[in-house]
Amino acid sequence: SQTIHQWPATLVQPVGSPLSLECTVEGTSNPNLYWYRQAAGRGLQLLFYSVGIGQISSEVPQNLSASRPQDRQFILSSKKLLLSDSGFYLCAWSRQNYGYTFGSGTRLTVV
Amino acid sequence: AQSVSQHNHHVILSEAASLELGCNYSYGGTVNLFWYVQYPGQHLQLLLKYFSGDPLVKGIKGFEAEFIKSKFSFNLRKPSVQWSDTAEYFCAVSGGGSARQLTFGSGTQLTVLP
Repeated sequence: SQTIHQWPATLVQPVGSPLSLECTVEGTSNPNLYWYRQAAGRGLQLLFYSVGIGQISSEVPQNLSASRPQDRQFILSSKKLLLSDSGFYLCAWSRQNYGYTFGSGTRLTVV
Repeated sequence: AQSVSQHNHHVILSEAASLELGCNYSYGGTVNLFWYVQYPGQHLQLLLKYFSGDPLVKGIKGFEAEFIKSKFSFNLRKPSVQWSDTAEYFCAVSGGGSARQLTFGSGTQLTVLP
């Protein structure tokens, strides 16, 4: 069966520090991968998606970047965090004719 | 580009009341439609989805949704809510293309009073 792992679950980082959130998928190959952010009081916003290794599309210009070094690994990064980067970050995967499966999320607080 | 509107930001109901949450989408092509639920402290879970076929879709926990193409709507319904249905509900749409990225509505917080 397919599973998706996302870590860490919670993270408190100071402004200006770097960020690396990792997401891995098991039990499937060549999935589409996504990073979403849920800010307080707002819905889910698509940040990045990837249809293959090394292929990253950005939906929203921001302080973040994403990489896909392996087929089932998706990484969200920042060189210098801003206060506005606080939020709940969700990784998800999908394949054609499948729904979407979400990870358990990372609660990021930038202080 | 696709977009999703959820008109109710916060709904408060008493147990046993009927529920209908509105969802309208904007997209020019074939769409897949979803409702997700996020219970307090938990991650997103899929309630139901529509890909094709019968426009009345039944999901888990007694929820259903009806796809009305002419109205670009996919409203979520439940005939009798329970206190345990208190959660945030998200409507989402994915269009065509290889990426099939989901676009979410802003969410509706449902509070069911015991």
